[in-house]
Amino acid sequence: DGGITQSPKYLFRKEGQNVTLSCEQNLNHDAMYWYRQDPGQGLRLIYYSQIVNDFQKGDIAEGYSVSREKKESFPLTVTSAQKNPTAFYLCASSILDVPGTEAFFGQGTRLTVV
Amino acid sequence: GQQVMQIPQYQHVQEGEDFTTYCNSSTTLSNIQWYKQRPGGHPVFLIQLVKSGEVKKQKRLTFQFGEAKKNSSLHITATQTTDVGTYFCAPAQLNEKLTFGTGTRLTIIP
Repeated sequence: DGGITQSPKYLFRKEGQNVTLSCEQNLNHDAMYWYRQDPGQGLRLIYYSQIVNDFQKGDIAEGYSVSREKKESFPLTVTSAQKNPTAFYLCASSILDVPGTEAFFGQGTRLTVV
Repeated sequence: GQQVMQIPQYQHVQEGEDFTTYCNSSTTLSNIQWYKQRPGGHPVFLIQLVKSGEVKKQKRLTFQFGEAKKNSSLHITATQTTDVGTYFCAPAQLNEKLTFGTGTRLTIIP
């Protein structure tokens, strides 16, 4: 089955701890994205990557870090510098260089700081 | 990336009534995509519009792209409870980051 997988589905973190969210895709997509969604709100772009070993900040990158060592994987680390990390995190991927290709999303990870 | 606004932010309709959400941009868009997110779920691609004035239909859903390619709309005829969710537009530019509109949350009163 081709698709994009996020894990874990639910995550609890103590204040002051870093936590890493996993995102893996087997769609052979070049582009990968991380979004944050707060209750009743839209999707805000955290980071995106269009090629291995390269990534760009989105609109709300502060307190987050990413890596893109493999085409299939784009993990997101929520650091202790993120002041309000409780949110729903969505990873997506898409093809580049082909106009009009849709983005595929993972099931999301709900992060709660306790 | 493109910045788009969606209106309304929320819409409550009686089952069977029609629903429309609008997506507006201050700049000309190359193309635009629409996604639906069910409560507790993840966004799912619905359609893409590319041509000026384009109209596409999917059963009870009608998508339009403005003549100036600065706005788009999604219209649902005779809403059903399965239409509940948040609808997002996303200006899709080749090889650029994918950003989303603010979304319109649709709730259905049975």
